Amino acid sequence: GAVVSQHPSWVICKSGTSVKIECRSLDFQATTMFWYRQFPKQSLMLMATSNEGSKATYEQGVEKDKFLINHASLTLSTLTVTSAHPEDSSFYICSARTPRGASYEQYFGPGTRLTVT
Amino acid sequence: GESVGLHLPTLSVQEGDNSIINCAYSNSASDYFIWYKQESGKGPQFIIDIRSNMDKRQGQRVTVLLNKTVKHLSLQIAATQPGDSAVYFCAENVIYNQGGKLIFGQGTELSVKP
Repeated sequence: GAVVSQHPSWVICKSGTSVKIECRSLDFQATTMFWYRQFPKQSLMLMATSNEGSKATYEQGVEKDKFLINHASLTLSTLTVTSAHPEDSSFYICSARTPRGASYEQYFGPGTRLTVT
Repeated sequence: GESVGLHLPTLSVQEGDNSIINCAYSNSASDYFIWYKQESGKGPQFIIDIRSNMDKRQGQRVTVLLNKTVKHLSLQIAATQPGDSAVYFCAENVIYNQGGKLIFGQGTELSVKP
């Protein structure tokens, strides 16, 4: 099956610094990628949707200047958490979607655990 | 963003029993629904899906039921095993002008007692 990878799998950073998380579709081209955030014991919350070569669409309440998303190619999207603070500590999960016939398939990455100290 | 921020409800079952996990979705225009299993520290894993023009779909040991009248989805797991212990989420594909996006429901933590 299709594989989505994330790097790093976990990261610890100091408050005020920026952190970049990569999401790659390894064996397929993703026309659309999604970024989710998940706090402990809670559901996945969609942050933004990005299509290759265009600006990301952010969900209501998600700061686009704080969570920078770049979808430069059909196999790579990056999420940069700028000026991270402890409240940004969370599990970040990306997802990649690819057309399949008249429909599509969507695959999730393994997640990146971010801890801001 | 969308989705909920409540703590997860839990369901505890005995090994070998059947499990039923329920989910309410919000958008009557959603065309596609998926159940995911998530183990601790991992990403969601696809279990089974169903299109809005269906009301039932069966897989191996799992069945999904869709009731569009009350916007309700359920996942039935037959002969539940300890390896089924995880958090289960339903997700709906919400259509918008740029395509579709998966919005996750609250989730249920399933605990299987041997």
